[in-house]
Amino acid sequence: DQQVKQNSPSLSVQEGRISILNCDYTNSMFDYFLWYKKYPAEGPTFLISISSIKDKNEDGRFTVFLNKSAKHLSLHIVPSQPGDSAVYFCAATNAGKSTFGDGTTLTVKP
Amino acid sequence: GAGVSQSPSNKVTEKGKDVELRCDPISGHTALYWYRQSLGQGLEFLIYFQGNSAPDKSGLPSDRFSAERTGGSVSTLTIQRTQQEDSAVYLCASSSSPFSKNIQYFGAGTRLSVL
Repeated sequence: DQQVKQNSPSLSVQEGRISILNCDYTNSMFDYFLWYKKYPAEGPTFLISISSIKDKNEDGRFTVFLNKSAKHLSLHIVPSQPGDSAVYFCAATNAGKSTFGDGTTLTVKP
Repeated sequence: GAGVSQSPSNKVTEKGKDVELRCDPISGHTALYWYRQSLGQGLEFLIYFQGNSAPDKSGLPSDRFSAERTGGSVSTLTIQRTQQEDSAVYLCASSSSPFSKNIQYFGAGTRLSVL
């Protein structure tokens, strides 16, 4: 059973518009949720996180929303830029370990 | 260097051979993780080291896989009698805060190809 799911393998948006990436989870014991960004031939890099006791965290163009009752989180990027084109992984943490989703490939078209 | 370093960056081997992959974590990070990413897939957890505790090996796919972490720093992932399905990118990560946010810092990975 996959505890963290990213149901959209890919997303394409126009430069300047909003990108919304989604993630669902099943384990209510997760205490932090994180988003990582990955460029080809590089390892993932941390982007933004949210505690399970919060419902929103904002950092510049990036905002993460958490809906605990729906076990759903989303990453909003606004405005989207071509340099944001990458694979985005959602991760959930508990007891020292992280569980990752399969990733969503975001393409931002100029 | 300041980041997580993995070597080699690429490894091509023949089916049945043993391979060793190396990871140098960020100095002072107590937690070290190995993941595998097969083509088009997400990050599959393999093993987790935390300080002097016994490693969490729950993600190792078979007994052909093993890992050690010497002196709380460098880690080696060994795959014995490699199979074609072992072909993947193997990623190492380290963390200084595994029991809070657990932000993990990743190396660039080792791309393993088993012919």
